[in-house]
Parts: sequence; C-alpha cells; structure tokens
Amino acid sequence: EIVLTQSPATLSLSPGERATLSCRASQSVSSYLAWYQQKPGQAPRLLIYDASNRATGIPARFSGSGSGTDFTLTISSLEPEDFAVYYCQQRSNWPRYTFGQGTKLEIK
Amino acid sequence: EVQLVESGGGLVQPGRSLRLSCAASGFTFDDYAMHWVRQAPGKGLEWVSGISWNSGSIGYADSVKGRFTISRDNAKNSLYLQMNSLRAEDTALYYCAKDAEDAVAGRFDYWGQGTLVTVSS
Repeated sequence: EIVLTQSPATLSLSPGERATLSCRASQSVSSYLAWYQQKPGQAPRLLIYDASNRATGIPARFSGSGSGTDFTLTISSLEPEDFAVYYCQQRSNWPRYTFGQGTKLEIK
Repeated sequence: EVQLVESGGGLVQPGRSLRLSCAASGFTFDDYAMHWVRQAPGKGLEWVSGISWNSGSIGYADSVKGRFTISRDNAKNSLYLQMNSLRAEDTALYYCAKDAEDAVAGRFDYWGQGTLVTVSS
C-alpha cells in the first residue's frame, strides 16, 4: 500500500497569506495525485488532479505541483472560505487508492 | 447538475448486513466509473470500492474485501454497496463518488453527501 504523509497536520495562517501544503508518497505515484478540500459537514471537493490540473470551477489561487513522491498544494492568497481540511489522494495503484491523513488549515 | 444521493445507512449490530444505494442524476451514468469512499467519525477519508462503467473492472480495499460487494444498475442510474459481516470499525459516513472516466481512474470529481453507517450492539 502506498502511504501518503501530509504536513503540517495543522497550518495556522491569516487571510491574504500564502499557504503551502505538502504530501509525500512512500513510493512513486508519478503524477497521479489529487487534492481535495473538505469543510465541516460537507463532502470533499476535488481541487487539483494529476498533480497540477485545476478541476472545473476551482479558482486560480489554487495550484499544485510535484511528481514522483513529493507534491505541494499552494493557495496564493487565502480567502476566508479556504479554511478547511485538505487531503491528498493517489490513484497510481489500482485497486489500492489511498488518501493522506489531512492538513487542517485554520485561521490564525 | 450532477447529483448523487446516498441512502440505506443506519444502526446495525456487528455481524449483520446492510445495503447502501446511490441514486445518480444530472449526467450519463453509464459513461462513468463509480466509487464508495468512507470517513469514520472525526477521521480521514478511506477509499472502499470502485466499479467501471460496465462492471467489467471491480476493486476493493483490503479492509473490506470478501465482506463488501459493489454493483451498479445502469438502467436505474444506481450504485450499490452490499455490506456483510459488519464490524465496529466499519462505522463511518459512506460517500458515493463519481469517477471522471469510464474506466476506473480513481479521480473523484463529484461526491454525494453521504449516508451514516453505525455498527454497534
């Protein structure tokens, strides 16, 4: 099983600041990595797929980068609605898709 | 508008069975693979099972293999999850998720709101 480790567990920032979230895979997943946003009481929402492609309707302030084992989700300037939990997910290994444990982005 | 509506959750005793359903609308259901993803209370996400558009490719997480069965009825635009021999650790909110492709690609572009399964005596 491919283990995804996200860091930090919690990130405290203020609106307008830049957020950088990390996801590291225990083995290469090529570019088959996605990022999801989940707000309390809501289902996850796809933000980024295949490491760097924004999903439909996702604002340009969200960007993804990386390949192999190291990936980054960047939010260029935080909006109040961006404070949530973020998960990475790999689809390199069927049928053993896995998620990271999540990074909570909270208001400082 | 894509809509996925799960149903069938509830309180069940350990060892018993439950069948979840997911009603899909707003897209051509038989053009896409579908999945179940679960989230234990206060925990992260865990992929459970996936099925291709024509049921030709099916997969399960090791944690549910041999106990859960995924299926779909394209004529009814519906996805199912038959859960047998339920355990306390199966307690979770179960989400139905649409894949972005017809084959099982593992890219979950739309999600339902989930149905809660609680396994307890």
